[in-house]
Amino acid sequence: GIQVEQSPPDLILQEGANSTLRCNFSDSVNNLQWFHQNPWGQLINLFYIPSGTKQNGRLSATTVATERYSLLYISSSQTTDSGVYFCAVFRMEYGNKLVFGAGTILRVKS
Amino acid sequence: GAVVSQHPSRVICKSGTSVKIECRSLDFQATTMFWYRQFPKQSLMLMATSNEGSKATYEQGVEKDKFLINHASLTLSTLTVTSAHPEDSSFYICSATHSGGEQFFGPGTRLTVL
Repeated sequence: GIQVEQSPPDLILQEGANSTLRCNFSDSVNNLQWFHQNPWGQLINLFYIPSGTKQNGRLSATTVATERYSLLYISSSQTTDSGVYFCAVFRMEYGNKLVFGAGTILRVKS
Repeated sequence: GAVVSQHPSRVICKSGTSVKIECRSLDFQATTMFWYRQFPKQSLMLMATSNEGSKATYEQGVEKDKFLINHASLTLSTLTVTSAHPEDSSFYICSATHSGGEQFFGPGTRLTVL
């Protein structure tokens, strides 16, 4: 099956700093999603991005499908950005099953 | 946007009892829903794929008689943990696939078995 690796595993930022989270995957995929899991456990959809670049406010994501990686950029971080960020991918051959990475734990300090 | 709800959000039960968790897609129809389990400080582990009108597909190592799944309509899937034991205590999360292929997740159900 597909392997998904996220880095770094942990990240501590001072409020206002920028960061880049990385997601590498071992095979070609039909799609990729980024999520933020808040302290209450809710997964919030950030991006649905099989390729290219998307931006939403202070967040943006880039997926380079041919090189099997995706990046999530967080600019001007805020304490509310704290939580766990997951990358997940799927291939149609395996149904619509998402394969999750282990996540990046982000702590933003004020 | 696409919204998925789960009920209950939290449940505490005695060992040996059964617990039912509901997952609903509120503003879209979902022929496929998924059930995940998440242990503290770990990623999500897929338990099963729930297909409307047919039997669920379970991942390797997940007991289908222990975790009963019913997908009775295009907006509702239920997970029943039968004869729950303390080791079943966990955070259970469902998701539903939108028509465009994107998955949306419910808020999760925290199960504690005493």
